[in-house]
Amino acid sequence: EIVLTQSPATLSLSPGERATLSCRASQSVSRYLAWYQQKPGQAPRLLIYDASKRATGIPARFSGSGSGTDFTLAISSLEPEDFAVYFCQHRGNWFTFGPGTKVDIK
Amino acid sequence: QVHLQESGPGLVKPSETLSLTCTVSGDSISRYYWNWIRQPPGKGLEWIGYIYDSGATNYNPSLKSRVIISEDTSKNQFSLKLSSVTTADTAVYYCARAPYGGFDYWGQGTLVTVSS
Repeated sequence: EIVLTQSPATLSLSPGERATLSCRASQSVSRYLAWYQQKPGQAPRLLIYDASKRATGIPARFSGSGSGTDFTLAISSLEPEDFAVYFCQHRGNWFTFGPGTKVDIK
Repeated sequence: QVHLQESGPGLVKPSETLSLTCTVSGDSISRYYWNWIRQPPGKGLEWIGYIYDSGATNYNPSLKSRVIISEDTSKNQFSLKLSSVTTADTAVYYCARAPYGGFDYWGQGTLVTVSS
């Protein structure tokens, strides 16, 4: 079973700053990694799939990179609506999620 | 536009079976992977299982012994049954579509509480 770990658990930043979130897999997942944003009381929203492909309607300030075991989600300049929890997810024989990184306002 | 809507009881007694249905509009459940995912209050996401290809299923190994996902293509619905529930099964339950590796459309979620 592939385990995903995310760091940091919490990231405190100000609007306009760059956010860099990490997701590490316990073994290689090639590029089969997705990222989601979740706000309180809402379903998650797909941001990135296949490590670096932006989903439909996702702003260009969101970017994904990485392959194998190490992946990064970057938000180039935080907007007020970007403060949320972010999850990574892998699809192998089944789907697994990371524990999440909370991006909150400093 | 694809829309998913979960429905079912919000309260289930311990040891009983949780049953939910997801009604899909804007797409056919005969293609892609149709999933159930849950999130206990204040915690992370757990994939439960999916149905695809006209009835084939795949389940999370940790839940496999208690889960059945089925479909009704005439109504464009798929359903979840989780047996022998405990308080640990209290969660928001989501249905979601996965055309490839990611879940691109989600229902709004429904809170199911396990309590006597």
